[in-house]
Amino acid sequence: EIVLTQSPATLSLSPGERATLSCRASQSVSNSLGWYQQKPGQAPRLLIYETSKRATGIPARFSGSGSGTDFTLTISSLEPEDFALYYCQQRSNWPWTFGQGTKVEIK
Amino acid sequence: QVHLQESGPGLVKPSGTLSLTCAVSGDSISSPNWWSWVRQSPGKDLELIGEAYSLGSPNYNPSLKSRVTISLDKSKNQFYLKLTSVTAADTAVYFCARGYSDSEFFFDKWGPGTLVTVSS
Repeated sequence: EIVLTQSPATLSLSPGERATLSCRASQSVSNSLGWYQQKPGQAPRLLIYETSKRATGIPARFSGSGSGTDFTLTISSLEPEDFALYYCQQRSNWPWTFGQGTKVEIK
Repeated sequence: QVHLQESGPGLVKPSGTLSLTCAVSGDSISSPNWWSWVRQSPGKDLELIGEAYSLGSPNYNPSLKSRVTISLDKSKNQFYLKLTSVTAADTAVYFCARGYSDSEFFFDKWGPGTLVTVSS
């Protein structure tokens, strides 16, 4: 099973700042990686799929990059509603797996 | 608009069977999408349980395969999860989700989730 390791565990930033979240895979997942946002008491919400494609309705401040084993989610300028948990997920090798999450909190 | 909604008992006894239903509206489970179950433990880890497709056999996470059944009911536009021989380790929020063909089968729609506690 592919293990996804996210870093940092917690990111403390202020609104308007840039957020850079990392996801590293234990083996190559090609470009089959996605990102989700989750707020307390809610289901995850798809932000990015296939490394860099924004899901329907996702603002342009969210972008994804990377390939193989190293991936990045960037939020160019944090809005108050962006403070949440973020997970990466791979769809390259069964079973699909998720990272352990990065919490973006208000500094 | 596509909506998914989980339902089922919130409390299951140890060694019993966990049974959940996901009602789908706004899309047909006969469409070329994957219909999945994901759970999230109190410690927040997300774990894929398995997925089913209308034209093929379901896929199960090897870690749960011996205990899991996912099935589709096209007449009711619902799909189901059965997990047998449950223990406290199966206590989690259970989500149903759609793996959407237009988003390369990543999970674009989710139900709100239902908490299932395993306890006597």
